[in-house]
Amino acid sequence: DIQMTQSPSSLSASVGDRVTITCRASQGIRNDLGWYQQKPGKAPKRLIYATSSLQSGVPSRFRGSGSGTEFTLTISSLQPEDFATYYCLQHNTFPLTFGGGTKVEIK
Amino acid sequence: QGQLVQSGAEVMQPGASVKVSCKASGYTFTSYGINWVRQAPGQGLEWMGWISAYNGYTNYAQNFQGRVTMTTDTSTTTAFMELRSLRSDDTAVYYCARDVSMDVWGQGTTVTVSS
Repeated sequence: DIQMTQSPSSLSASVGDRVTITCRASQGIRNDLGWYQQKPGKAPKRLIYATSSLQSGVPSRFRGSGSGTEFTLTISSLQPEDFATYYCLQHNTFPLTFGGGTKVEIK
Repeated sequence: QGQLVQSGAEVMQPGASVKVSCKASGYTFTSYGINWVRQAPGQGLEWMGWISAYNGYTNYAQNFQGRVTMTTDTSTTTAFMELRSLRSDDTAVYYCARDVSMDVWGQGTTVTVSS
């Protein structure tokens, strides 16, 4: 199975801060990676697909990058509505696997 | 486009079975597979398995092999997930999501297992 190691597990940041979240895959997954945002009591929402493509309707402050085994989600200027939990997902190989999540909290 | 609407919350006894439905609309149902993902209270996302809506082929996570069955009904564009021999640690929100890339999600179904 491909393990997805996501870091950090939580972070505190202020509005306007730049935030970076990383996922490392235990083996290469090409660009078969997505990033999801989940708010309490809601279903996850896809932000980024194919490593770096922005989902329609998602603000351009969200950026995905990486390749092979190292992937990054960057929020260029954190907004109040961005406080949430973020997950990566690899869909290169079954079983599909998620990272452990990163909770972004208000400092 | 596309939307997935799931069935309502369930409260089940330990040892029972639950069947959750996921009604698809707004796209060609047989062009995409459906995943099932669950989230225990306060925990992360756990992939349970995938079913092709085209031919019914399934791929289940090892943790659920023998206890889960995923099916589809193309006449009603609905996917189903049945989990048997329920335990208290199966208490979770269960989601369906379209395609291996999980671009569209259902709203979630809360399943509570309690005696």
